[in-house]
Amino acid sequence: AQSVTQLGSHVSVSEGALVLLRCNYSSSVPPYLFWYVQYPNQGLQLLLKYTSAATLVKGINGFEAEFKKSETSFHLTKPSAHMSDAAEYFCAVSGTSGSRLTFGEGTQLTVNP
Amino acid sequence: NAGVTQTPKFRILKIGQSMTLQCTQDMNHNYMYWYRQDPGMGLKLIYYSVGAGITDKGEVPNGYNVSRSTTEDFPLRLELAAPSQTSVYFCASSPGQGSFGNTIYFGEGSWLTVV
Repeated sequence: AQSVTQLGSHVSVSEGALVLLRCNYSSSVPPYLFWYVQYPNQGLQLLLKYTSAATLVKGINGFEAEFKKSETSFHLTKPSAHMSDAAEYFCAVSGTSGSRLTFGEGTQLTVNP
Repeated sequence: NAGVTQTPKFRILKIGQSMTLQCTQDMNHNYMYWYRQDPGMGLKLIYYSVGAGITDKGEVPNGYNVSRSTTEDFPLRLELAAPSQTSVYFCASSPGQGSFGNTIYFGEGSWLTVV
């Protein structure tokens, strides 16, 4: 069984500030981990994914995430928030055994001017 | 660059009515999925397909049916609509199994309200 927990359903930052969205997972097998972003009234699109290569993963739009096995975490960061980053972000996990992708409940990011 | 296309984008149904959400993809992906998204609940898998002629249940299949007669199309049928089916529905596809690290590509969503 696997699960993912996103800490904080809403995160608010100022433009130019650090963005930190938290994701913790549980998996009985080595995981694949994903971050997806959903802009208003649109579908989800992939930001980045961890597939057992480098633990620091760089994605689109300046986002990156670090896989930390000891902490079972895959937090998403961006050094400087932009107004266009306002969206909902989903963390997802699957096991290498081929189990289904499990999504977290999402974190709504607000960027204040 | 069509990707995954789903229709309609918005629909209001009366309780007990039936309808089909259409989904087509032009990326020649074998895997296709239907998810529903409810506020604060993330995405739940309704049905998925690993290729033409093969479908399987996800987490929340009750009240829905699917078919996969071609690689491109994966329609979702709602029989006897209920208020609990008010949701946003996303069709998606991937070149391989999403759980093996393959990227899943999503359509733009269909907003369904059952009254």
